[in-house]
Amino acid sequence: DAGVIQSPRHEVTEMGQEVTLRCKPISGHNSLFWYRQTMMRGLELLIYFNNNVPIDDSGMPEDRFSAKMPNASFSTLKIQPSEPRDSAVYFCASRPPLTSGRENEQFFGPGTRLTVL
Amino acid sequence: TQLLEQSPQFLSIQEGENLTVYCNSSSVFSSLQWYRQEPGEGPVLLVTVVTGGEVKKLKRLTFQFGDARKDSSLHITAAQPGDTGLYLCAGAGRGSQGNLIFGKGTKLSVKP
Repeated sequence: DAGVIQSPRHEVTEMGQEVTLRCKPISGHNSLFWYRQTMMRGLELLIYFNNNVPIDDSGMPEDRFSAKMPNASFSTLKIQPSEPRDSAVYFCASRPPLTSGRENEQFFGPGTRLTVL
Repeated sequence: TQLLEQSPQFLSIQEGENLTVYCNSSSVFSSLQWYRQEPGEGPVLLVTVVTGGEVKKLKRLTFQFGDARKDSSLHITAAQPGDTGLYLCAGAGRGSQGNLIFGKGTKLSVKP
């Protein structure tokens, strides 16, 4: 089975440019999470969706960040305009329904390493 | 705000040594998980503990959930280079949606 798929794996861009990160969750999972990981702050939850609906976006740092989940198999995280302090590894994770008995396990993608110059 | 503090932040040991890493909070969690993350990859779930005082073993790894469900420990016996990685604890947040709150992790290096 394919795991969570993220693209691109690496992104280098200049300050002010728009960045779009993509995620395909595991089929059958109904929750999707976007995280940001840095040395200083660790793994931070940005936003999560249940059944394609955004539930909590309180972790989104600024209005420059937006996320969408148009269907059960695709989500995007957009940063516009990007700034050097946005440099981090961005992870997408998906989770099966909590009623499935899978102990609230989240399955992480390989991440996108973003560098904003 | 629910926070999880992990210690030590970094740990470098020789192959064959034993070690314990800790995850502490002032908040009560309904469950707590341990993940391991290798360089260039996302975290992978190792175990979930649910009951206060619960102990779970996974080969050479022993996980314990504190009686008050505020803290947890991970003990590794006879560490091997393959144990190298970032160990993250995560607690189930408040509410019914099941989001996780992660600690910053313990970066373990096991030298041959």
